Amino acid sequence: EIVMTQSPATLSVSPGERATLSCRASQSVSSNLAWYQQKPGQAPRLLIYGASTRATGIPARFSGSGSGTEFTLTISSLQSEDFAVYYCQQYNNWPTGTFGQGTKVEIK
Amino acid sequence: QVQLQESGPGLVKPSETLSLTCTVSGGSISSYYWSWIRQPAGKGLEWIGRIYTSGSTNYNPSLKSRVTMSVDTSKNQFSLKLSSVTAADTAVYYCARERVLKYSSGWYDNWGQGTLVTVSS
Repeated sequence: EIVMTQSPATLSVSPGERATLSCRASQSVSSNLAWYQQKPGQAPRLLIYGASTRATGIPARFSGSGSGTEFTLTISSLQSEDFAVYYCQQYNNWPTGTFGQGTKVEIK
Repeated sequence: QVQLQESGPGLVKPSETLSLTCTVSGGSISSYYWSWIRQPAGKGLEWIGRIYTSGSTNYNPSLKSRVTMSVDTSKNQFSLKLSSVTAADTAVYYCARERVLKYSSGWYDNWGQGTLVTVSS
């Protein structure tokens, strides 16, 4: 099984600042990586797939980069609605995709 | 925009079978993969399994012996059964549409709101 490790577990950021979240795969997943945002009491929402392609309706302040085993989600200027938990997910493996344990972005 | 809605009992007794249905609206269930994902309180996401509209299934190896999925295209629904449940199966259960690539799994672009299933006597 491919293990996805996210860091940090918690990121404290002030509104308007940049947030950088990391995701590392235990083996190469090519560019088959997605990012999700989850707010309390809500389902996850797809942000990024293909490591860097924004999903429909996702603001341009969200960007993804990386390939192989190292990936980054960047939120260029944090808005109040961006404070949430973020998960990465690899889907390179068949039949099982796996999620990271999440990074919580909290208000500093 | 496709919408998904989970339904089923919120309380299941230990050793019994958890049964959930996901109803898809706003689009056809045909020609897509559909997955179940769960999330224990305060924890991360775990993929349970997927079904294609042909009825073909894949399950998480850790749950495979207890999981059965089915699809009813006439009702635009798919279902999950998880047998011999224990307290460890208590979680929010989500259904989701999975965009599967050739030779790989996929990402989840549409999710239901989730339903809490508690396993308790």
